Amino acid sequence: GESVGLHLPTLSVQEGDNSIINCAYSNSASDYFIWYKQESGKGPQFIIDIRSNMDKRQGQRVTVLLNKTVKHLSLQIAATQPGDSAVYFCAENINNYGQNFVFGPGTRLSVLP
Amino acid sequence: KAGVTQTPRYLIKTRGQQVTLSCSPISGHRSVSWYQQTPGQGLQFLFEYFSETQRNKGNFPGRFSGRQFSNSRSEMNVSTLELGDSALYLCASSSLRLLRSSQETQYFGPGTRLLVL
Repeated sequence: GESVGLHLPTLSVQEGDNSIINCAYSNSASDYFIWYKQESGKGPQFIIDIRSNMDKRQGQRVTVLLNKTVKHLSLQIAATQPGDSAVYFCAENINNYGQNFVFGPGTRLSVLP
Repeated sequence: KAGVTQTPRYLIKTRGQQVTLSCSPISGHRSVSWYQQTPGQGLQFLFEYFSETQRNKGNFPGRFSGRQFSNSRSEMNVSTLELGDSALYLCASSSLRLLRSSQETQYFGPGTRLLVL
């Protein structure tokens, strides 16, 4: 179903530590997932994506893990920096023909100095 | 390459009015999607346009409509505005180069913040 309910979890991490942000997705048929970062007053910014035929993908300082068995995504950020402070959304494309992304409620990441 | 642009960035309207928002996708991108973002409901899909046709639609009333032009630019219109339409309206574009278009990345614009009084 649609992702609703806006309790926004918050994750506070110390600068330099690793961050792990989790997301449960809704549709077992979804085959494409994206993590976005949204800073205040801006649109979501693409971070990394993963297709359902993979279980792990790495980018620069970021890693996405996909567990299709339990419909779970995670985003790992290595050596978290103050500039990483933002709200992070996972998104799944529930439509196998075209674009119809369902977004999670988001997680607010706060990086402590 | 320029990103997705949206105009206007900010807008104030009163109840009952209508509004038109504009989106220019990344050059070469043919799919444009619209989303509404509110604190209460989060990011919700409105509709997707491809080749001037609405291809997917979310669960919004008919007051929300859109269109896409031959140059892929898109507009969305909200008629008979309600207080609850106050939101950040986001546009996203995709290139759809892949055969399986459901696996194309979407890139977002900065959004248009609409306030309905």
